[in-house]
Formats: sequence, C-alpha cells, structure tokens
Amino acid sequence: DIQMTQSPSSLSASVGDRVTITCRASQTISTSLNWYQKKPGKAPKVLIYDAFTLHSGVPSRFSGSGSGTDFTLTISSLQLEDFATYYCQQSYSTPWTFGQGTKVEIK
Amino acid sequence: QVTLKESGPVLVKPTETLTLTCTVSGFSLSNARMGVSWIRQPPGKALEWLAHIFSNDEKSYSTSLKSRLTISKDTSKSQVVLTMTNMDPVDTATYYCARSYYGDSLPYFDYWGQGTLVTVSS
Repeated sequence: DIQMTQSPSSLSASVGDRVTITCRASQTISTSLNWYQKKPGKAPKVLIYDAFTLHSGVPSRFSGSGSGTDFTLTISSLQLEDFATYYCQQSYSTPWTFGQGTKVEIK
Repeated sequence: QVTLKESGPVLVKPTETLTLTCTVSGFSLSNARMGVSWIRQPPGKALEWLAHIFSNDEKSYSTSLKSRLTISKDTSKSQVVLTMTNMDPVDTATYYCARSYYGDSLPYFDYWGQGTLVTVSS
C-alpha cells in the first residue's frame, strides 16, 4: 500500500497568513494527489485534484503543487472559513489512501 | 443535482455485521467515469478509505479490512451496499459514501454523502 505522510499534524495561524501543508508519498504517484478540507460535522470537500487543478468553486487562494512523492497545499491568505483539517489522498493505485490530516487552528 | 445518502443502523453490537446503503441520485452507477467509495472517520481520527466499486462492477478493498468487507451495487436501484462483518468498538465511526469522478486523469471524490455515525457497543 502507498503510505501518505502529512506535515505538520497541526499548525496555528492568523487570518491573512500564508499557510503551507506538505504531503509525502511512500512511492512515486506522478500527480495523482488530491486535497480535501474537512470541518467538524461536515462531509469533506475536494479542493485540488491531480496535484494542482483547482476544483470548481474553490477560491483561488488555494493552490497545489508537486509531483512524484512530494506535494504541497498552499493557502495564500488564510480566511476565517479556512480553519479546518486538510487531508491529502492518492488515487495512483488501489487501495487508495489518505494522509493523517493537518489541523489548521486559529492563533 | 448529484446527491448521495447513507443509511443503516446507528448502533450495532460487537461481533455483529454492519450493512450500510448509499443511495445516489443525479448520476448512474453504470457511468464509466464514475464509481462509489466508502470512507470512514472514527471520532478524533483521520479519514480512512474502505472500499470502492467501479462502473464495471470491479471492486477494491482496504488491505487491512479486506477480509471483513464486501461492496456491491444495484444499478437499477441506484444503491451501493457495504457490509462489514465482526464489528468491534474500534469500528465506531462516521461512515461516508463518496462518488469518484474520472476526469482527464485519475479519480477524485467530488461528491460526498452527509455521513452516518455508527456506534459499536453492547
């Protein structure tokens, strides 16, 4: 199975900050990497697919980059509604796997 | 409008079998660009992918849970069913079904159900 490791596990940031979350795959996955936002009591929402493609309706302050084994999700200017947990997920090969999540908290 | 909705018991006893149903609308389970996965999240823990069924009825399972899971679909009823045997308290979680969409590349989960909390307790 492909293991996905996110860092950090949590971070504290202020509104307006630039936030970067990284995700590393245990083997190369090309650009088959998706990012989701999860808020308590809500279903996850896809933000980025294929490593860097912004899903319809997602604000442009979210961006993704990377290929191979190392990937990054960046929020250029953190907004109140962005405080949540973020997950990466590989769809390169089944069994598909998620990272352990990165919780973005208010500083 | 695409929707997915999970249904099933809220409480199961240890050793029992859990059966969850995902009823979808707004797309067909026979569409080659789409499939359905089950994903769960135990309280305070990470998302965990469980199983997937493709439009051609091919199935894939989590390695660690493979022996306990069965996924199936009834295209005419627009339903995907997940069974998990020998339930244990550690299986307490919110269970989601999600649509996988194959765009120009490999799939991602573009629509999710609201989730259903299943508690395992005697």
